Amino acid sequence: GENVEQHPSTLSVQEGDSAVIKCTYSDSASNYFPWYKQELGKRPQLIIDIRSNVGEKKDQRIAVTLNKTAKHFSLHITETQPEDSAVYFCAANSGGSNYKLTFGKGTLLTVNP
Amino acid sequence: SQTIHQWPATLVQPVGSPLSLECTVEGTSNPNLYWYRQAAGRGLQLLFYSVGIGQISSEVPQNLSASRPQDRQFILSSKKLLLSDSGFYLCAWSETSRQYFGPGTRLTVL
Repeated sequence: GENVEQHPSTLSVQEGDSAVIKCTYSDSASNYFPWYKQELGKRPQLIIDIRSNVGEKKDQRIAVTLNKTAKHFSLHITETQPEDSAVYFCAANSGGSNYKLTFGKGTLLTVNP
Repeated sequence: SQTIHQWPATLVQPVGSPLSLECTVEGTSNPNLYWYRQAAGRGLQLLFYSVGIGQISSEVPQNLSASRPQDRQFILSSKKLLLSDSGFYLCAWSETSRQYFGPGTRLTVL
């Protein structure tokens, strides 16, 4: 089955700096890669996603890049703000009509004011 | 628009007691439904998923079971809870690739 590795497990940045979280996946059939943000005690919220036919996608301060050859994808957050502090999860879908996702173990991002 | 509900929001149960958690989705038909568990400070573990009424696939063998008695209702059950069943239980739905999570049930087994 699919295996998703996520790094780093914790990341601390100063407000205004950029943050990058990286994930690798094992199944070359994976074709969908979402990122979720989970604030303490809350549900994970989908913040951005990318499909395998696209190399990069951007939404305001967040962007995701995908390298299919290397089987890795990354989340980039620019001009970080304290409210960006949360746990971020990457995931990969191996395809099929059940749309199952395999999640990385998460990255705790802390943005220091 | 679609809405997903879970109840109860929190639950404290003794070891060996039964469990029933409910998830319902509004505003969509025949969604895929999923149950995840998140242990404290940990990642998301897929427990069960369903692509239709009465169709349940189990990802992790354990003392939990799931049922889908109606199109938009997904139930997670246990006959006898273990201490290790404590965690944050999240239901999710999807029509296509995108999955959306419910508010979750925080279960403490004592």
